[in-house]
Amino acid sequence: NAGVTQTPKFQVLKTGQSMTLQCAQDMNHNSMYWYRQDPGMGLRLIYYSASEGTTDKGEVPNGYNVSRLNKREFSLRLESAAPSQTSVYFCASKLSNENIQYFGAGTRLSVL
Amino acid sequence: DQQVKQNSPSLSVQEGRISILNCDYTNSMFDYFLWYKKYPAEGPTFLISISSIKDKNEDGRFTVFLNKSAKHLSLHIVPSQPGDSAVYFCAARSNSGGYQKVTFGTGTKLQVIP
Repeated sequence: NAGVTQTPKFQVLKTGQSMTLQCAQDMNHNSMYWYRQDPGMGLRLIYYSASEGTTDKGEVPNGYNVSRLNKREFSLRLESAAPSQTSVYFCASKLSNENIQYFGAGTRLSVL
Repeated sequence: DQQVKQNSPSLSVQEGRISILNCDYTNSMFDYFLWYKKYPAEGPTFLISISSIKDKNEDGRFTVFLNKSAKHLSLHIVPSQPGDSAVYFCAARSNSGGYQKVTFGTGTKLQVIP
């Protein structure tokens, strides 16, 4: 029972490099989310996808893009990484009519 | 503007005693509250929740209390166990433009000392 799977678990980038964080869920959830966690800041929403085919900005979308590839997969792309994007990134999913979100184990990203 | 605040970054409690984690909020439009628990190198997992129409919800050793007039909720863990050592996030839900937005607090790190 995989739940929400994130890849990679760790990544080090140089400033200006690009990369895509992958997220997949096997719970047939409609809604998917990308958060970042920084010390003293809690979890902040970057982008979300309420259903397949839709994406919307969250609280801190600048510097990121997302793709809801299909119902299972929701990717987060950094086009030109900056040191301020050093963080732990979490993907989450839930059913549209439920309140509980299910999180992946996170991707720890360092931008040098 | 931090709408959900957990003012205690950390808390230490002896095994067997009560742990009380607090959360304050400012947005009166929040109508549902959740607590998540997070172990190192793992994602947050749901622990317990409460609707704004209630003032208490209990699940085993975990109880959440909501005081709407004070815009305050708390999580009680009785008795505390070493396995409860984790970071606890308070979260609050609001409906905005048809979208259910969830705002998380900054977290409280609980250490239960054997």
